[in-house]
Amino acid sequence: AQTVTQSQPEMSVQEAETVTLSCTYDTSESNYYLFWYKQPPSRQMILVIRQEAYKQQNATENRFSVNFQKAAKSFSLKISDSQLGDTAMYFCAFMKQSGTYKYIFGTGTRLKVLA
Amino acid sequence: DTGVSQDPRHKITKRGQNVTFRCDPISEHNRLYWYRQTLGQGPEFLTYFQNEAQLEKSRLLSDRFSAERPKGSFSTLEIQRTEQGDSAMYLCASSESNSEQYFGPGTRLTVT
Repeated sequence: AQTVTQSQPEMSVQEAETVTLSCTYDTSESNYYLFWYKQPPSRQMILVIRQEAYKQQNATENRFSVNFQKAAKSFSLKISDSQLGDTAMYFCAFMKQSGTYKYIFGTGTRLKVLA
Repeated sequence: DTGVSQDPRHKITKRGQNVTFRCDPISEHNRLYWYRQTLGQGPEFLTYFQNEAQLEKSRLLSDRFSAERPKGSFSTLEIQRTEQGDSAMYLCASSESNSEQYFGPGTRLTVT
């Protein structure tokens, strides 16, 4: 069975600074996807970034980038130039690339961006 | 709005009552998922549909829970004889093939 661990329940960062959220996972699968989702207060979950396990290059989306270390089973999210609108719960998710493609989520990291 | 929609957004019910939630996925998506999210936790998988076929159910889905997706379009999740432990946010998501999932706003259930 797969597990996803987010060891930082809460973090804060000053506006315009950089913050890194950590995620580790455990799996015996070789083909899978990893995702970071953002859940703002009282709003729906939206995709921030995705990474295919077979790709060595780390994914980037504007101010968001990941550090994917497949051997270490680590998948951290770096947010550069933090903005007040980045305040949210961030969830790391694992998806096996077969079967039902269901997600296994971590417990989340609550990020607060301070003005 | 072409996103995933869920109805109702909030539901308060008394213990022992039945409740039903609806999810309308993105129209071209053939895969539909239900998750449950409790306070301080990440969403947990409940069940999965590919078109109208329910292909997987989690052990979290007791026999009081039933889900349907007639004609492979919208889906309903029914909870019979609700218990206080059923209080949670129920999330619906849809996807095409093996791509990322798009989530609805959720239905927050409170059982008193």
